[in-house]
Amino acid sequence: DAGITQSPRHKVTETGTPVTLRCHQTENHRYMYWYRQDPGHGLRLIHYSYGVKDTDKGEVSDGYSVSRSKTEDFLLTLESATSSQTSVYFCAISPVGDPTYEQYFGPGTRLTVT
Amino acid sequence: QQQVKQSPQSLIVQKGGISIINCAYENTAFDYFPWYQQFPGKGPALLIAIRPDVSEKKEGRFTISFNKSAKQFSLHIMDSQPGDSATYFCAATTIFTSGGSYIPTFGRGTSLIVHP
Repeated sequence: DAGITQSPRHKVTETGTPVTLRCHQTENHRYMYWYRQDPGHGLRLIHYSYGVKDTDKGEVSDGYSVSRSKTEDFLLTLESATSSQTSVYFCAISPVGDPTYEQYFGPGTRLTVT
Repeated sequence: QQQVKQSPQSLIVQKGGISIINCAYENTAFDYFPWYQQFPGKGPALLIAIRPDVSEKKEGRFTISFNKSAKQFSLHIMDSQPGDSATYFCAATTIFTSGGSYIPTFGRGTSLIVHP
């Protein structure tokens, strides 16, 4: 398994509170991504990073911010959690330049906003 | 606008049968088409991928068929087994024509159940 971990794995929070999810990799891969997975919607990209301090928005970035101050860590922050942000969040990493261009996904974080 | 359309949303197959999942794309600049497999409670994992310079790629019981003119590609699982029961995602990206960025667009997924 690729060296990618997510924390926490499960979280329940209240509407209006800030939440930060952490993705940590030991592979030194350049690209890191945050996705959310919801029934009927598949995997939707929230934000991605192509290097330290280099980030960009995905298709569902409203209400989310990210930071990457080190190669190995990519943080996703829900500034003021809403019930619509209840979802399973996956982090992924990719070397981009490896011949397979594979994305390696973490185990996911199940977030419930009450 | 959904750039990669995947069908069916769910699929039930008997053990030993053939499972077929289809994807269609709109962006003719897409040049890399991976398929991911996801088991319950786990993250997706790369299953097989194809580039548009070939029409078919086979790895074991899994085959991708690619039709560039129709902008369609499909996953065929031969001799389907109960252990193949999972969610399958197709994806597409412009990796070789975009200066090296890699932002795949995913289909919405197909839930496959293989009955014993």
